[in-house]
Amino acid sequence: NAGVTQTPKFQVLKTGQSMTLQCAQDMNHEYMSWYRQDPGMGLRLIHYSVGAGITDQGEVPNGYNVSRSTTEDFPLRLLSAAPSQTSVYFCASSRQGVVYSPLHFGNGTRLTVT
Amino acid sequence: DAKTTQPPSMDCAEGRAANLPCNHSTISGNEYVYWYRQIHSQGPQYIIHGLKNNETNEMASLIITEDRKSSTLILPHATLRDTAVYYCIVRVNNNDMRFGAGTRLTVKP
Repeated sequence: NAGVTQTPKFQVLKTGQSMTLQCAQDMNHEYMSWYRQDPGMGLRLIHYSVGAGITDQGEVPNGYNVSRSTTEDFPLRLLSAAPSQTSVYFCASSRQGVVYSPLHFGNGTRLTVT
Repeated sequence: DAKTTQPPSMDCAEGRAANLPCNHSTISGNEYVYWYRQIHSQGPQYIIHGLKNNETNEMASLIITEDRKSSTLILPHATLRDTAVYYCIVRVNNNDMRFGAGTRLTVKP
């Protein structure tokens, strides 16, 4: 049982390049989300999804796109990377339902945009 | 959404109880209090949650005041491995869950 898997672990981009951060979970969780964490700060929610085909914006969605075509995967796309997007990105997942299911986090992707 | 206020940092002696406070004076009746922690640069880890009753699990206890305007997370016997940033979050559920700056707890030998 791998839990939440994020790839790559590290990435360096040049300004203007595009890339996709991958997130996969094998727990059949309906809910998935993406956060970014800048140095010395808390996590800020980028986008989230409550199921396949459903996505919604968090507090800092600008510059990022998401889609949810399967229950397992929730990729985060940077269409034109900017230095302000240098951060650590965390993906999380959980069940949806009456009984609370805690968020399970991946180990993060450390992104540097030069 | 209810906002939370936590002290930026706290120290605790190893083996003693760590009491982490959280104020959430605008909490709504259907909002829960959740606690997560983040050790070093890892992803956050769930600790405990509650609605209005006090809760205890193998990691911690959660004490919620009767008016629900504040709560305290208690780590009964803190160890060096409990050094982390602790987040108090008030939400109905995981949807759109937001983490603030949290409290940086340092457990000292």
